[in-house]
Amino acid sequence: DAGITQSPRHKVTETGTPVTLRCHQTENHRYMYWYRQDPGHGLRLIHYSYGVKDTDKGEVSDGYSVSRSKTEDFLLTLESATSSQTSVYFCAISGVGQDYSPLHFGNGTRLTVT
Amino acid sequence: SQQGEEDPQALSIQEGENATMNCSYKTSINNLQWYRQNSGRGLVHLILIRSNEREKHSGRLRVTLDTSKKSSSLLITASRAADTASYFCAIIYTGANSKLTFGKGITLSVRP
Repeated sequence: DAGITQSPRHKVTETGTPVTLRCHQTENHRYMYWYRQDPGHGLRLIHYSYGVKDTDKGEVSDGYSVSRSKTEDFLLTLESATSSQTSVYFCAISGVGQDYSPLHFGNGTRLTVT
Repeated sequence: SQQGEEDPQALSIQEGENATMNCSYKTSINNLQWYRQNSGRGLVHLILIRSNEREKHSGRLRVTLDTSKKSSSLLITASRAADTASYFCAIIYTGANSKLTFGKGITLSVRP
């Protein structure tokens, strides 16, 4: 799995609580991404990072924030979880931009917001 | 959304048969990628084909790209039960800062 660890693997939380998901890579790749996967939607990009402290929004960024203080760690935070954020969250990495290089994915975090 | 449209949505075949999956898109692309996802796991990259390429092979996989028809096909030859998975087409469109856009996926079931 290309040295990508997502934690936790499963989480159940209540509406309104903050939640942080972690992605840790051992590949020293520059680019890191957070996607969510929902039935009928495929994968949608939430946020991505192109270097330490360099992040940008994706297609579905509302309600999410990210941080990258080290090359190896990319955190996704749901400031105040809502039921619509129940999903499977995937972290992905690439050494160069997506124009040139495929993505390597972690095994996902299943988040349930009750 | 500029998702690729995958076809069929689901496919069930017998072991040993070939599986063909299609992906169509609407505007010009930089590259097109195919990924596989086994149940409960992350996506695994299969093949990347660039807009100036027409065909690529990897083992039992063959991907074609027809930019005039704005479509791509993934062929799995001599399928095995282990090929049972979801397959996704992902596209980078031309244009600055374009990001990979995934389709909704095709569910392939290979019966032993």
